Amino acid sequence: SYELTQPPSLSVSPGQTASLTCSGDKLGDKYASWYQQKPGQPPVVVIYQDTKRPSGIPERFSGSNSGNTATLTIAGTQSVDEADYYCQAWDSITVIFGGGTKLTVL
Amino acid sequence: QVQLQESGPRLVKSSETLSLTCTVSGGSISSSYWNWVRQPAGKGLEWIGRIYSSGNTNYNPSLKSRVTMSVDTSKKQFSLKLTSVTAADTAVYYCAREGFTEAFDSWGQGTLVTVSS
Repeated sequence: SYELTQPPSLSVSPGQTASLTCSGDKLGDKYASWYQQKPGQPPVVVIYQDTKRPSGIPERFSGSNSGNTATLTIAGTQSVDEADYYCQAWDSITVIFGGGTKLTVL
Repeated sequence: QVQLQESGPRLVKSSETLSLTCTVSGGSISSSYWNWVRQPAGKGLEWIGRIYSSGNTNYNPSLKSRVTMSVDTSKKQFSLKLTSVTAADTAVYYCAREGFTEAFDSWGQGTLVTVSS
């Protein structure tokens, strides 16, 4: 079965750029989406179709997807960005989520 | 903006059937896929399956034998049934809309379902 792999954690200092990765076999041939989830809240999509930002998502969030890796980049990371981030892709008619990365801003 | 609200029993006995309903408001239930996703405490997201407004379904292969989804467009509701539950099915259950972008653009607040022995 298809799998998406994310590093469990990432720490960045405020103002730095955070690069969160998601790896899967030929992931670049699929669309990747990214979700932000804060404690006690449902996930919120921050990137869809690899690079697109929904309305209301700050411009500091961007995405890319090529080869076997999709990347969510947060430029000028702020404390409010501290959350769990999940990548998601479709394997035929099945949804696959990555295991999630806990982003700590300190 | 469409809003989703999960409802159903919060406590289910082991070996019995978990039943949840998601009510859609602020938008149409037609012409969209409606999904269920769950999350055990402290763990990641797991897709359970989806149902189209016409009733077509797709399920996670790992849960397929125990899952049934249905939709009632007149009530703007869709439902999940998960049979033969065990403690491993204890989780927050979310309903979510799949947008035309293939991403989940609207989520319910989630409901914690606990399976007791």
